[in-house]
Amino acid sequence: DSGVTQTPKHLITATGQRVTLRCSPRSGDLSVYWYQQSLDQGLQFLIQYYNGEERAKGNILERFSAQQFPDLHSELNLSSLELGDSALYFCASSVLQGTAGELFFGEGSRLTVL
Amino acid sequence: DQQVKQNSPSLSVQEGRISILNCDYTNSMFDYFLWYKKYPAEGPTFLISISSIKDKNEDGRFTVFLNKSAKHLSLHIVPSQPGDSAVYFCAASITGAGSYQLTFGKGTKLSVIP
Repeated sequence: DSGVTQTPKHLITATGQRVTLRCSPRSGDLSVYWYQQSLDQGLQFLIQYYNGEERAKGNILERFSAQQFPDLHSELNLSSLELGDSALYFCASSVLQGTAGELFFGEGSRLTVL
Repeated sequence: DQQVKQNSPSLSVQEGRISILNCDYTNSMFDYFLWYKKYPAEGPTFLISISSIKDKNEDGRFTVFLNKSAKHLSLHIVPSQPGDSAVYFCAASITGAGSYQLTFGKGTKLSVIP
């Protein structure tokens, strides 16, 4: 158990809809990262938050947005969903923002868009 | 453009033998490298890492080798055990850049045959 909690574990929805994925980082971790893993792809970095502020953006679509709340949990909002958005979405956390070290990953949220 | 490449999607090894997983990178700014292991229905878990100031790091049965001139790293597992069967992701990062994000390869699925 990494200590990172993601909900829901599975989500099935239709094209055009909007969903919210939730992540609770490990206790004490200030950084939260979101990654997307599509079929046969590696983990693609989407966005990072540190202590409530956006720190880095990766290949995140404009239809996607995220935020980190004062209690440090984070939400990833996906809107106007398309079939290609079907993927595993992982949240990870770490203590520091810019120092080398490992990220701790949650079990992921599997999104299926029909 | 894929900055971290794992050219072997899969690898089969007999139990007790050595497993060698390879990873190449293109960005010379990467200075910290990690290997993650992922079982089905679980998030990636950290395995071992290496800084660019080293060429080898060992942790029990796992050793990572870094060849900076060739922009190549490898993970050696000796001896391989059936429980090592998983997908292994190579990841790289640029430390001290104000943000810490990992760039992942697509993964190599290791099967250890009893």
